[in-house]
Amino acid sequence: DQQVKQNSPSLSVQEGRISILNCDYTNSMFDYFLWYKKYPAEGPTFLISISSIKDKNEDGRFTVFLNKSAKHLSLHIVPSQPGDSAVYFCAASWKTSYDKVIFGPGTSLSVIP
Amino acid sequence: DGGITQSPKYLFRKEGQNVTLSCEQNLNHDAMYWYRQDPGQGLRLIYYSQIVNDFQKGDIAEGYSVSREKKESFPLTVTSAQKNPTAFYLCASSIGAGVGYTFGSGTRLTVV
Repeated sequence: DQQVKQNSPSLSVQEGRISILNCDYTNSMFDYFLWYKKYPAEGPTFLISISSIKDKNEDGRFTVFLNKSAKHLSLHIVPSQPGDSAVYFCAASWKTSYDKVIFGPGTSLSVIP
Repeated sequence: DGGITQSPKYLFRKEGQNVTLSCEQNLNHDAMYWYRQDPGQGLRLIYYSQIVNDFQKGDIAEGYSVSREKKESFPLTVTSAQKNPTAFYLCASSIGAGVGYTFGSGTRLTVV
């Protein structure tokens, strides 16, 4: 029973276009959401996060949108670059258990030059 | 340069043997974690520790053991009781609640 779902295992986008990675969650207790980026044979690196009191957070080319009523969040990358090609993990945690982060299965993004 | 070091990068084990994966951090983080990555399943939590001399089971702790004798170190032992140990293992740390993790570069364990 996955509490954090990323239903697209892979995504291909042309360089310069927008990449949109989607994430759905089932646990309404989640109040903090994170995105991690992972290259092969390396550990994930923290990318961006959003608290449930917000609906949008921007950091350079990366924007995360949160729709609490739909239990959905998305990561937008604009413009996409070949170096963005990696696996992206959506993750979530909640107030009483911030130390336990639940990860989704990941979406592999390929940015085509 | 602060970070998390996992060693070795690749590890081969014979069936029936225990093996210990090392994880050391110099970030002065209180919390440390072990995750396992399998294809199509994301990262699953094995064990975590919020302070020295204390640790908690995660979602898939069976067949694994840990210790937290020092703040900097959180070794994971994969025992012979773990039925399917071949995987990519990731160690992480964090300074506390609601903050993103810092991950190590991982150890790929293969049972031969």
